[in-house]
Amino acid sequence: ETVMTQSPTSMSTSIGERVTLNCKASQSVGINVDWYQQTPGQSPKLLIYGASNRHTGVPDRFTGSGFGRDFTLTISNVEAEDLAVYYCLQYGSIPYTFGAGTKLELK
Amino acid sequence: EVQLVESGGGLVQPGASLKLSCVASGFTFSDYWMSWVRQTPGKTMEWIGDIKYDGSYTNYAPSLKNRFTISRDNAKSTLYLQMSNVRSEDTATYYCTRSPHWGQGVMVTVSS
Repeated sequence: ETVMTQSPTSMSTSIGERVTLNCKASQSVGINVDWYQQTPGQSPKLLIYGASNRHTGVPDRFTGSGFGRDFTLTISNVEAEDLAVYYCLQYGSIPYTFGAGTKLELK
Repeated sequence: EVQLVESGGGLVQPGASLKLSCVASGFTFSDYWMSWVRQTPGKTMEWIGDIKYDGSYTNYAPSLKNRFTISRDNAKSTLYLQMSNVRSEDTATYYCTRSPHWGQGVMVTVSS
């Protein structure tokens, strides 16, 4: 199975900063990667699909990129509502697999 | 508005069976593949499997294939997850999904 390694595990930031979250696949998954955001008590919400496509209604401060094995999610001008856990998901091969998540916290 | 509502969770003893349901609304259920995903108390996310829109094909995570069965009833717009011989490590919140939509999740606790 394809292992998705997310880094860092957690990250401290300040409002207005730019942060980059990483996800590395153990084998190529093409562009078949989604990014999800989860806040406490809520279901995950899709931010990015197909590695770089912003889901409907997602602010343009969220940008996804990558192909093959290396993927990034960049959040520009972090807002308080962005403090959450972010997961990557690969659907390039079965079983689909998630990363362990990156927790974005306030510094 | 797409809605996915899971039910059937609760406290179950090790070795028992449990069937989860997910009632879908707001879209033509029979047109879509559907999936189950679970999240452990430690927040690890695991894809369980999915089922083709007509129910004719399923995919599973290999580690769960022998104990979990996904099915659907398109007439009832309902997705199912049959869990058998449950273990403590099956304790999790179970989500029904049809990307990008997720249900609110249902908790399953396996404990004696």
